[in-house]
Amino acid sequence: SQQGEEDPQALSIQEGENATMNCSYKTSINNLQWYRQNSGRGLVHLILIRSNEREKHSGRLRVTLDTSKKSSSLLITASRAADTASYFCATGTYKYIFGTGTRLKVLA
Amino acid sequence: EAGVAQSPRYKIIEKRQSVAFWCNPISGHATLYWYQQILGQGPKLLIQFQNNGVVDDSQLPKDRFSAERLKGVDSTLKIQPAKLEDSAVYLCASSSLTDPYGYTFGSGTRLTVV
Repeated sequence: SQQGEEDPQALSIQEGENATMNCSYKTSINNLQWYRQNSGRGLVHLILIRSNEREKHSGRLRVTLDTSKKSSSLLITASRAADTASYFCATGTYKYIFGTGTRLKVLA
Repeated sequence: EAGVAQSPRYKIIEKRQSVAFWCNPISGHATLYWYQQILGQGPKLLIQFQNNGVVDDSQLPKDRFSAERLKGVDSTLKIQPAKLEDSAVYLCASSSLTDPYGYTFGSGTRLTVV
């Protein structure tokens, strides 16, 4: 079963714009992670945010977590064509449960 | 550090045939996972090994799927007989006991059942 639901399912933006995708989950968590998957490839870990953190940054990525709403958001600033990929949130320790994903397309 | 190796990259079989996938995790990673990713969905955990023991196989369709990790290193996932709905990407991942968040995924095997 899927723990998280990403929103939107698909997003198309112009290069240089910001991209925001959201993840809602069902049960209490200790942490939440975001992964990127390029077409036909494995998943690459982007960032982990713990349940006692509200915001975290890594380069052009900003992740927020609202445990009261059971939701997280991933913001990619100044997007590039190379950011075109699917993005997934995942919860759990050792055993991850992934969301349904957001397919991001960045147009050059 | 070498990544998680998987083979083959692609496989096309007819329904009711059998197929096997192979995974070699990162050296020293005690925990190994197999995930199934159907097109347009997120990965779903099939089975989790710690060394050569099964930790969780609750979502593995045991009537047709089997997996083993005999020496606590390489692992194979088998499907017999395959159904059309088994068409998916099968991803292997590994992590160390001391860093449960240090997941590394392989590139996956794309299975098409016709």
